[in-house]
Formats: sequence, structure tokens, C-alpha cells
Amino acid sequence: QQQVKQSPQSLIVQKGGISIINCAYENTAFDYFPWYQQFPGKGPALLIAIRPDVSEKKEGRFTISFNKSAKQFSLHIMDSQPGDSATYFCAASIKTSGSRLTFGEGTQLTVNP
Amino acid sequence: KAGVTQTPRYLIKTRGQQVTLSCSPISGHRSVSWYQQTPGQGLQFLFEYFSETQRNKGNFPGRFSGRQFSNSRSEMNVSTLELGDSALYLCASRMGLQETQYFGPGTRLLVL
Repeated sequence: QQQVKQSPQSLIVQKGGISIINCAYENTAFDYFPWYQQFPGKGPALLIAIRPDVSEKKEGRFTISFNKSAKQFSLHIMDSQPGDSATYFCAASIKTSGSRLTFGEGTQLTVNP
Repeated sequence: KAGVTQTPRYLIKTRGQQVTLSCSPISGHRSVSWYQQTPGQGLQFLFEYFSETQRNKGNFPGRFSGRQFSNSRSEMNVSTLELGDSALYLCASRMGLQETQYFGPGTRLLVL
């Protein structure tokens, strides 16, 4: 019940295209859903996060869509750039109780020039 | 403000040895969490310390232990190393338990 399922495992997109990564969770107590971006040799960096009381959050080219009834959330990267090539992790936690992050399996995104 | 720092960045050990990894959190952050990252298992939570107390522990054997000092710096120890312990060990800090976690660059451990 603590798992977060992420797909696809890998994704190849052309420059300027839209990258979409999906995650699903089971634990309805989760109340915080961040996305992390990780480049080779670096630790994960927080990209954008959402709470379940909103259905969408946008920051620049990055948008999180959240579907509470389906227990799913997704990351959309608009106008994808080669510099976006990285591994993306979705995660979930019960922020109100200060719980740990439960991560998805990760998606390796490659944006071709 | 300086980010989370981890030392050493790379480490090679042999089976049966023990290892200690160090993490210095962002100034003012009182919580430190440790994660193990491997290609097969992804990011797995090891434990979290807050104000020198372990408040959360993941599903890892007792060979994995940690501690936190009064200045919030944390160490993680792995005893009797196994080949499967080869991984990137990540440390993350946050100011309070409901705040965002910030990750360090990790320590890459190779067990031969």
C-alpha cells in the first residue's frame, strides 16, 4: 500500500515535444506529491510538487496533473529540451505527519536534438 | 547557503569490511534522511534522524545503522559489507518534518 508505480521506465522525445511521465499510488493518506530530477553523478533535485487539493500546478515548462479519484498524477514537460535529459522520480509522502518519501521507480528521459 | 554535503564521494571496500559515510545537512536543517539508490531497487529509504533521534527506519538489516550529532551532522555505518551493498547512498536534509527534502550528491560505494 506504500508503493508508488511509475511509467514509462524510459522515454525518448524529440526537441520541442511533450514528455509525459505517469505515477499511481495506493495509499490515500498521501498528501504530498513531489517530482525530482536527477542528472548523472548528482543527487535528486526537487522539480515541482503538488498537494491533493489542486488538480494542476504549473511552473514554467513543467506541469503536474493530479487525479485524486484515480489516485494518479503525471508530469508534463512542454517544449522538451536536450538539457531536460535526466532521470525523473515521482514520490509521495504524508507531509502532515512528516513521513518519509516513497519513490517511484524512475523514468530515464532522453530528448534528442 | 551551502547545500547538503556528503563525504567521501567515492569509496571502494571489500566484502566483510565496514564503512562509515558522513552527511552535513544544510545549515539550520534538523532532519537528515538516508536513502540507498541502486539500478534494480531504485531509491529506498534507510532511516531518518531528527534532533539526534531516529524517528523512522526502512526495511534494511541491522548491519545498516546511523546516528546524528548535536550539530545535525549524520553518519551512516554499514558493517560486514556484502556485494549487494554496492550503491549510491544519498543523504537528504529538511528544516522541519513537514518541509521539503534536499538531497546531497551521494556517496558511491563499490564492494568488491
